[in-house]
Amino acid sequence: QVQLQESGPGLVKPSQTLSLTCTVSGGSINSRSYYWSWIRQPAGKGLEWIGHVYTSGSTNYSPSLKSRATISVDTSKNQLTLKLSSVTAADTAVYHCARNLLGSGKLDVWGQGTTVTVSS
Amino acid sequence: QSVLTQPPSASGTPGQSVTISCSGSSSNIGGNAANWYQLLPGTAPKLLIYSNNQRPSGVPDRFSGSKSGTSASLAISGLQSADEADYYCAAWDDSLNGPVFGGGTKLTVL
Repeated sequence: QVQLQESGPGLVKPSQTLSLTCTVSGGSINSRSYYWSWIRQPAGKGLEWIGHVYTSGSTNYSPSLKSRATISVDTSKNQLTLKLSSVTAADTAVYHCARNLLGSGKLDVWGQGTTVTVSS
Repeated sequence: QSVLTQPPSASGTPGQSVTISCSGSSSNIGGNAANWYQLLPGTAPKLLIYSNNQRPSGVPDRFSGSKSGTSASLAISGLQSADEADYYCAAWDDSLNGPVFGGGTKLTVL
């Protein structure tokens, strides 16, 4: 079955760019039925949708993060990436990638998540 | 501030039933299906209910969902200690063109 695995630095300095990769295995990221999303959860807080990318490369972002977030897809590697610029301590969170059925709140496959701490 | 509104906590004793509510608006739950997720510490979020009341394979029928208007509910019957977790509702939002989540409900099994 489809599995997702996030990877990237666990520690990022303030003002720098956070960069994470999500590798899709057991299936193709080239599916026309799904968006591929990034969601984060700060400690003690709720889930926050960051944005998503479609296999074509088209994207959509949360308005609160739109100016700093970039999500891209590499179909040859079956990967999606998240870049979040100008990070602050408020960006410290567990970051998940997830498969999102088009036009739905159904995210049926999630990665385990990777913890990113923003600190000098 | 989450787009969907959930109670921050709920509780019950083993064997009891508990219901968790989720309130939204016409741009999300009112016009789209509600979904529910279970979050256990250190594990990936798990899809519990989709399309308002559908259970993915492997989810016990003790878990059920419903929707009415701009609100949705998750019901858990025959509570078990293993059900102690955080539960989140989610729905597609037509204004955002993305999914929105509730703030989460921490379920305690006393």
